[in-house]
Amino acid sequence: AQKITQTQPGMFVQEKEAVTLDCTYDTSDPSYGLFWYKQPSSGEMIFLIYQGSYDQQNATEGRYSLNFQKARKSANLVISASQLGDSAMYFCAMREELTGNQFYFGTGTSLTVIP
Amino acid sequence: ETGVTQTPRHLVMGMTNKKSLKCEQHLGHNAMYWYKQSAKKPLELMFVYNFKEQTENNSVPSRFSPECPNSSHLFLHLHTLQPEDSALYLCASSQDSLASGELFFGEGSRLTVL
Repeated sequence: AQKITQTQPGMFVQEKEAVTLDCTYDTSDPSYGLFWYKQPSSGEMIFLIYQGSYDQQNATEGRYSLNFQKARKSANLVISASQLGDSAMYFCAMREELTGNQFYFGTGTSLTVIP
Repeated sequence: ETGVTQTPRHLVMGMTNKKSLKCEQHLGHNAMYWYKQSAKKPLELMFVYNFKEQTENNSVPSRFSPECPNSSHLFLHLHTLQPEDSALYLCASSQDSLASGELFFGEGSRLTVL
């Protein structure tokens, strides 16, 4: 079974609008971390935001917030006030305490911001 | 220099060539990784080194050979590759193996095998 599922291959959003990128995960480990990365066309993977499995509140970092619904095993990324520079691939990832260094990545969502 | 640096950024090689990819991290991290990124596939973990010791090897073909001489440097030696090995190879590092430690990536080495 897939550890991380991103069901949206491509998304479009109007500049200055908010957009939600979906991510669901599968784990039986009670301790895990969820991450979102942005990959522009240059190739570098840029860390955006982190949510721990025991965190009570949703993580926020500037215009990024993570809508963490533990019971549903979902960790959607919300980008508010989209900018043209937000156009990129976005990857959801998970790291389990039990498997230590193993990061599981989804297939990514390509976001295009329309002026 | 800061962060994770990869060289070369682009590499074209024939199937009989031998080449190496280099990764250097200036973050003081103790774990380094090689990932392969092919189109429309999740990132594939190839190798993990923790404190210079290899801890993961996800059934990678022997034509890929990693080397980690110290905690700041990681190499991926390539020989007799196949065209399907063409991909973006990403190096990453992290501080520890706890669930909260994020990966810091380099910009990748785009490999084309002719």
